[in-house]
Parts: sequence; structure tokens; C-alpha cells
Amino acid sequence: QVQLVQSGAEVKKPGASVKVSCKASGYTFTSYYMHWVRQAPGQGLEWMGIINPSGGSTSYAQKFQGRVTMTRDTSTSTVYMELSSLRSEDTAVYYCASSLIAAAPIDYWGQGTLVTVSS
Amino acid sequence: EIVLTQSPDFQSVTPKEKVTITCRASQSIGSSLHWYQQKPDQSPKLLIKYASQSISGVPSRFSGSGSGTDFTLTINSLEAEDAATYYCHQSSSLLETTFGQGTKVEIK
Repeated sequence: QVQLVQSGAEVKKPGASVKVSCKASGYTFTSYYMHWVRQAPGQGLEWMGIINPSGGSTSYAQKFQGRVTMTRDTSTSTVYMELSSLRSEDTAVYYCASSLIAAAPIDYWGQGTLVTVSS
Repeated sequence: EIVLTQSPDFQSVTPKEKVTITCRASQSIGSSLHWYQQKPDQSPKLLIKYASQSISGVPSRFSGSGSGTDFTLTINSLEAEDAATYYCHQSSSLLETTFGQGTKVEIK
């Protein structure tokens, strides 16, 4: 069965960077696109961007352009999301989630990673 | 950016009642509209794809309809386990996919 297992919770200071990992299993890693979606406490879902694990191409939401970097390691079936210049408003649960093609429903979700930004 | 507006934001419903949640897009998105259910402290779960297509394993009381700019999620005969927040999501734009703000359904 498809599983997306994310790295553990992080606490960061303002201005720092965070890198969250998402290890995929149960399917051919390069067959599904991977999205990153975040959810601030008590708030809704916010799409951050997408990576094609096959070639590594990415597309980011305009709001995060210049601050987010998504990468992948095909040898370990893992995707990464790095967010820099963190501020308190970046405190959220970050999800990786997969879809068969870029513009498609999101079929599978990771368990989420809580990132807390606090001085 | 395509904006999705859901209504209502909150609904308190008794078991066995019918629930209707609407999602309006700021421009036409064809049928590229999907619905998710998120229970407290859980990841979202895909309920309906492409406006009206059912998902394997999802109870048949969940259904979707609509096209263009106006969409509806219907829960027939609500059950206690359906208490959750429901989100619509559009995948029409290849540049940026977006979500509605969510509708919280509470059981009376």
C-alpha cells in the first residue's frame, strides 16, 4: 500500500531554515508527482508547490517563490522541502501528498510534520 | 490565482440529516474540482474527484455535483463519524492549485 512517511517535528528560530523529508513506499517513486501543502494552527490548507520526482522539475506557489526549495533523491524514494527565512507565521503542519499527474486530485497524504517557529 | 469560496463556514447537523456544502470558483474550472475530508489531528482524505466521481472505500452517502464555477458536496443521512472539516480543491490551473477555506461540520 502507498505510504508517505515524513520526518519528525522541528522547532526553529526566526530567520532559520527547515528541511522536511517525505519517504515514499508502495509504488514506483517516479510515477507520482509530490505536492507540499501546509496548515497553520486552526486554519485551512495552503498549497506550496510540486515536484516531479522523475525529472526533478518543480513549480512553486508565488507566495513562496524564493523561499522554498523542493528536491528529491530517487535512490531513497525521498522528497525534501526546505523553507528558509522562517518567521512565526510559518508555524504549521507541513504535508507531503501525491498525485498521478501535476493537475489532478491528491490521492495520498503523509502524516504531517509540525514546524514551530519561535524565538 | 483561482479562488474557491465555500459555504457555509460551519454547520451543526443532527444525525441522519442531509448536509450540503457548496464551493464556488472565481472562474470556470470545468470538472477539475475535488473534495477532501479532514478529521481532527488527521491528514486530509480524498472523498470525491472531478466533481462527481466516487472514490473506492468512501461511503456511498457522499456525492458530488457541479461543473464550471458551482459545485456541491452532499452527505446523505449524516453519521456521527462524518464530523470533520471538508475542503474543495481545484486542479484546473497548472500554475497553482488552490483549496477552499473549509467547512466544519459538527454533530448536534
